[in-house]
Amino acid sequence: EPEVTQTPSHQVTQMGQEVILRCVPISNHLYFYWYRQILGQKVEFLVSFYNNEISEKSEIFDDQFSVERPDGSNFTLKIRSTKLEDSAMYFCASIPGTANTEAFFGQGTRLTVV
Amino acid sequence: AQTVTQSQPEMSVQEAETVTLSCTYDTSESNYYLFWYKQPPSRQMILVIRQEAYKQQNATENRFSVNFQKAAKSFSLKISDSQLGDTAMYFCAFMFKAAGNKLTFGGGTRVLVKP
Repeated sequence: EPEVTQTPSHQVTQMGQEVILRCVPISNHLYFYWYRQILGQKVEFLVSFYNNEISEKSEIFDDQFSVERPDGSNFTLKIRSTKLEDSAMYFCASIPGTANTEAFFGQGTRLTVV
Repeated sequence: AQTVTQSQPEMSVQEAETVTLSCTYDTSESNYYLFWYKQPPSRQMILVIRQEAYKQQNATENRFSVNFQKAAKSFSLKISDSQLGDTAMYFCAFMFKAAGNKLTFGGGTRVLVKP
């Protein structure tokens, strides 16, 4: 069964460093998302991506964040200068298209900023 | 903006018993979807069940069923014949199709199934 794959599963980084979280969505899906879950809290929407551009972003998704789909398969989330409060689980998700609303989630990347 | 509220932070149930998780939401839209996701200790988000707002019939998936009350904006999940593997966080989520299909999640309910 096709699945969304995220790497790495766990990333530890120094405050102020840049990190790139990687995702390979399911190949024929059209909509891509990043969500964040701070430990013990709810899952929060960060950004959606469609047709090679951001379609919506939340207030969390400030100038420190960016997304790319550089080669038609990978979908990356970059945090330019990490803060302690960026420590969270980051989930990538994809949806086949407008007719099918089931979101397929990756297994998540745990980001720890020290 | 849509909001999703899960009023039960934690629930426990004996194996083989039934447990019902509550969820309410607030929206002015009429065309939307509701979901229950399971998050086991592995942290992966797994779709349990989905309900389309324009369908009056409650969705069912094996031991999982929902009670969708559109006028009351309520969407509860019933887990029947609970199994140890059902132990997880359960998140209710809302999707408004015209808003890019993003999900808005509730705060979650932790379910512990006891042997």
